Amino acid sequence: GESVGLHLPTLSVQEGDNSIINCAYSNSASDYFIWYKQESGKGPQFIIDIRSNMDKRQGQRVTVLLNKTVKHLSLQIAATQPGDSAVYFCAEKEGAQKLVFGQGTRLTINP
Amino acid sequence: EAGVAQSPRYKIIEKRQSVAFWCNPISGHATLYWYQQILGQGPKLLIQFQNNGVVDDSQLPKDRFSAERLKGVDSTLKIQPAKLEDSAVYLCASSLVGPDTQYFGPGTRLTVL
Repeated sequence: GESVGLHLPTLSVQEGDNSIINCAYSNSASDYFIWYKQESGKGPQFIIDIRSNMDKRQGQRVTVLLNKTVKHLSLQIAATQPGDSAVYFCAEKEGAQKLVFGQGTRLTINP
Repeated sequence: EAGVAQSPRYKIIEKRQSVAFWCNPISGHATLYWYQQILGQGPKLLIQFQNNGVVDDSQLPKDRFSAERLKGVDSTLKIQPAKLEDSAVYLCASSLVGPDTQYFGPGTRLTVL
């Protein structure tokens, strides 16, 4: 089965609120993680990444947190906007070359 | 900078027929990937090329799927013969080096009837 998964398949938030999307991984040797956003009818789009020597990394309105103790990854989106509606995937680098994707969380923004 | 191009965008075939998908990666990207994405799931790697050599094809159903990347640029993925369970979106991605920061194309949605 997949080594990367998500706690919740769907998440609904109010526009302007902060969103938190969670991801659990099983391979403690993984050293690189990526979050992708996939809008309907499009391919996944890179959002942010983090290496295992970091606990936190910030981008524009997004923050990724990595907790290696419990093998947990989260994506925080600040002040969500309608354009943030999409499916979000975490991916884990397995070995030297391969990315393994989780199932995905659908984020819906309510007006 | 042009992104990853894929064609066709949609394809409907009957089971046991053959189908081929084409991908043109971002210029200069040595690594090319084909993924299968079944509805409601994350992408699953089928095959990875480094230039024109195969790096990983461990999850490619080789009895019916084949892929090539002649000249290390464009790539084609073929299914012959197709089964109902092959209905999915087939995504192509490329990266400069290794799996870091892969850029995805729009995908080809395949429906097998």
